[in-house]
Amino acid sequence: DGGITQSPKYLFRKEGQNVTLSCEQNLNHDAMYWYRQDPGQGLRLIYYSQIVNDFQKGDIAEGYSVSREKKESFPLTVTSAQKNPTAFYLCASSISGGGTDTQYFGPGTRLTVL
Amino acid sequence: AQKVTQAQTEISVVEKEDVTLDCVYETRDTTYYLFWYKQPPSGELVFLIRRNSFDEQNEISGRYSWNFQKSTSSFNFTITASQVVDSAVYFCALSELNQAGTALIFGKGTTLSVSS
Repeated sequence: DGGITQSPKYLFRKEGQNVTLSCEQNLNHDAMYWYRQDPGQGLRLIYYSQIVNDFQKGDIAEGYSVSREKKESFPLTVTSAQKNPTAFYLCASSISGGGTDTQYFGPGTRLTVL
Repeated sequence: AQKVTQAQTEISVVEKEDVTLDCVYETRDTTYYLFWYKQPPSGELVFLIRRNSFDEQNEISGRYSWNFQKSTSSFNFTITASQVVDSAVYFCALSELNQAGTALIFGKGTTLSVSS
């Protein structure tokens, strides 16, 4: 079955630690995205990538980093510089990065900083 | 700037009632797309519909229907004969034709609770 997988489902981090969230898709989509969701809020864009080896900052990129070495994978690292990282993180992909294609989402990773 | 407003934060209905979720958007572009997603308690966003700015026809899919009105910049979503399984957070989103590439602008969502 084609789809988007994210791991882990739950992640606990101590303050000062970097953590990496995994996102993999087998839909053969060119574009991938990372969003952050806080309680009672909509989704906010962290980073997006329209093609392998290229990515752009979204609205709230500070304290996060990404890589796109393979078409299928778009990992997100939450660094110690991110002041308030506790949130629900959603990865998405779309056929192309033109902005108007439908984005399909993974199941999400819930990150909690202890 | 683009903006999506979902004024209803929470709605509670009893099964079999019809319910309409409102979505109002702002954009300067003439070409844009509107989306609705459902987020059940599991957390994953489920795609429901995508509509472009040139297609104002209403759409019906089973118990779901969408009313797009450019004159009022609204894209409302109606669930007919609601069921408990419809309980979820529903998001309206907007994207514009942008060659630089962009992502969706989401509203803050409407939490729908359907009781039996």
